[in-house]
Amino acid sequence: GAVVSQHPSWVICKSGTSVKIECRSLDFQATTMFWYRQFPKQSLMLMATSNEGSKATYEQGVEKDKFLINHASLTLSTLTVTSAHPEDSSFYICSARPDSVETQYFGPGTRLLVL
Amino acid sequence: EDQVTQSPEALRLQEGESSSLNCSYTVSGLRGLFWYRQDPGKGPEFLFTLYSAGEEKEKERLKATLTKKESFLHITAPKPEDSATYLCALNSGYALNFGKGTSLLVTP
Repeated sequence: GAVVSQHPSWVICKSGTSVKIECRSLDFQATTMFWYRQFPKQSLMLMATSNEGSKATYEQGVEKDKFLINHASLTLSTLTVTSAHPEDSSFYICSARPDSVETQYFGPGTRLLVL
Repeated sequence: EDQVTQSPEALRLQEGESSSLNCSYTVSGLRGLFWYRQDPGKGPEFLFTLYSAGEEKEKERLKATLTKKESFLHITAPKPEDSATYLCALNSGYALNFGKGTSLLVTP
């Protein structure tokens, strides 16, 4: 149980294009999902907290207009990187927290390369 | 401010050589300390949650313990497949605050 999927697992795009990443909780409902970013040999940095049916909460320094988050259902959150640039290249990981527990379960991650 | 510090940064063990990873923390009110395992190019895999000092949890060759200031992840007779980065995280009330991790390499 507690499986989280992400799609796509990797994506290469041209500078200036937008990329959408999906995060799904497959066998549980999650009112709250989280988006992290991880650079090589570094730990996970929280970008934003996504709440079903309401606006996401962004961490300091994360541009909300660049990283659009939508959490339209209890099993799906999406992250759209708008007008991507090479510096947005990174490993993006989502997590989902089953309602009534504190544990977060992570997806397999999406590697984004912007050329 | 909540803080999580993991040591050592890297650890190399021979197969069968037991050891411990450390996670020191400061927090105003503990709402859970989490251990995850992360393989290269993958998302973290949940291992344990600890909530109160004195609590212990085990899974195969791994045992996690918790005091009021630190947590240990004990690895007994490790195998090469235990090689990974082990992450410790605090529940800050709404999100997880991760340490930088310990990169473990177990050689045959």
